[in-house]
Amino acid sequence: KAGVTQTPRYLIKTRGQQVTLSCSPISGHRSVSWYQQTPGQGLQFLFEYFSETQRNKGNFPGRFSGRQFSNSRSEMNVSTLELGDSALYLCASSLELGEDTQYFGPGTRLTVL
Amino acid sequence: AQSVTQLGSHVSVSEGALVLLRCNYSSSVPPYLFWYVQYPNQGLQLLLKYTTGATLVKGINGFEAEFKKSETSFHLTKPSAHMSDAAEYFCAVILYSSASKIIFGSGTRLSIRP
Repeated sequence: KAGVTQTPRYLIKTRGQQVTLSCSPISGHRSVSWYQQTPGQGLQFLFEYFSETQRNKGNFPGRFSGRQFSNSRSEMNVSTLELGDSALYLCASSLELGEDTQYFGPGTRLTVL
Repeated sequence: AQSVTQLGSHVSVSEGALVLLRCNYSSSVPPYLFWYVQYPNQGLQLLLKYTTGATLVKGINGFEAEFKKSETSFHLTKPSAHMSDAAEYFCAVILYSSASKIIFGSGTRLSIRP
């Protein structure tokens, strides 16, 4: 069974632009979560989607948003990029909402210049 | 509030030596505990987890961890280090079974000396 896939793997943007990252969960998994990983802040939870609805949200500004499609694929969007948004963005999937075990994708490395 | 503390941001051991990565948690109720490994340019891979039951948990790649409630610890060990174990290791905690409430430690980079 294929793992979690994320596209693109690497992205370079400039301040003020917006970006969309994509995540395809493991087949059959219906819950998708997003995380931001930076050297300074470590791993931080962004949000979780299940059945096309955002179920939980971390402590990030409204510039960070996401959505989930009927096939469980998810996208996250960051608008008005700031230098501090440079990070590795990880997507994780689990079978159902509330599952304690998540399976992570390789991440998208976003660099904001 | 929950928190996770990993002692030592960098640990270096010789190949064949014991690996010990320390993790202490703070939680008002018994949490679910996890160890994840991250290889360069990759996502996180679950090594092992403790939810309920036996306090000694065995994971992949020869790693194991023991949940010690009295010490609020969940240290990760491996009897004999291999060069392929070089990676970053994250301890994590959640309350109940909600993955969205997961709190990660700051990570420990493990280096293996030949």
